[in-house]
Amino acid sequence: ILNVEQSPQSLHVQEGDSTNFTCSFPSSNFYALHWYRWETAKSPEALFVMTLNGDEKKKGRISATLNTKEGYSYLYIKGSQPEDSATYLCAPTTSGTYKYIFGTGTRLKVLA
Amino acid sequence: DTGVSQDPRHKITKRGQNVTFRCDPISEHNRLYWYRQTLGQGPEFLTYFQNEAQLEKSRLLSDRFSAERPKGSFSTLEIQRTEQGDSAMYLCASSTGYGYTFGSGTRLTVV
Repeated sequence: ILNVEQSPQSLHVQEGDSTNFTCSFPSSNFYALHWYRWETAKSPEALFVMTLNGDEKKKGRISATLNTKEGYSYLYIKGSQPEDSATYLCAPTTSGTYKYIFGTGTRLKVLA
Repeated sequence: DTGVSQDPRHKITKRGQNVTFRCDPISEHNRLYWYRQTLGQGPEFLTYFQNEAQLEKSRLLSDRFSAERPKGSFSTLEIQRTEQGDSAMYLCASSTGYGYTFGSGTRLTVV
């Protein structure tokens, strides 16, 4: 996997708005897709790992979907809160390697 | 176990100096990874250990960079003759499988 794209690169939303981001990756030799949340001055925190086409995962107000055939994943945040402000990173892995190739991230700022 | 710890948190150094960072992984994790993140980019893979063996090293890593993991426990990343372009956040992660646990990183500023 050489090219992982995330969009948008950054966005500002108002508290209470719902939002979503995209992660695009080459679908060949796909094994798993990881989403991380990285708050300033903290460690990146694992949100989801997904492996199967059509997977949907949910954690509180955050959910994610996966399409391995077309090579994309969506991350949704419902009712954004200021504490959701962070950089959201996706990283697919291919079969036979434990190395992550990260996208550039989506920097989210939720305005109170 | 308090997770993955990295030391120091911040390092400011003059161009041309050598620096060394340390990473202490979660004790039962046999894999350890180093990544570098620069402004506006995602974390970029540098190198990876399984136990004490360095199994992969990025071609982007110049000869000035070296990493070790003696005895398969903590790891060190050394940068010799630092350049301004080395200024970045250096992240360490450990795992037993596909899920990483990250440290908080070491932010290097080369002046």
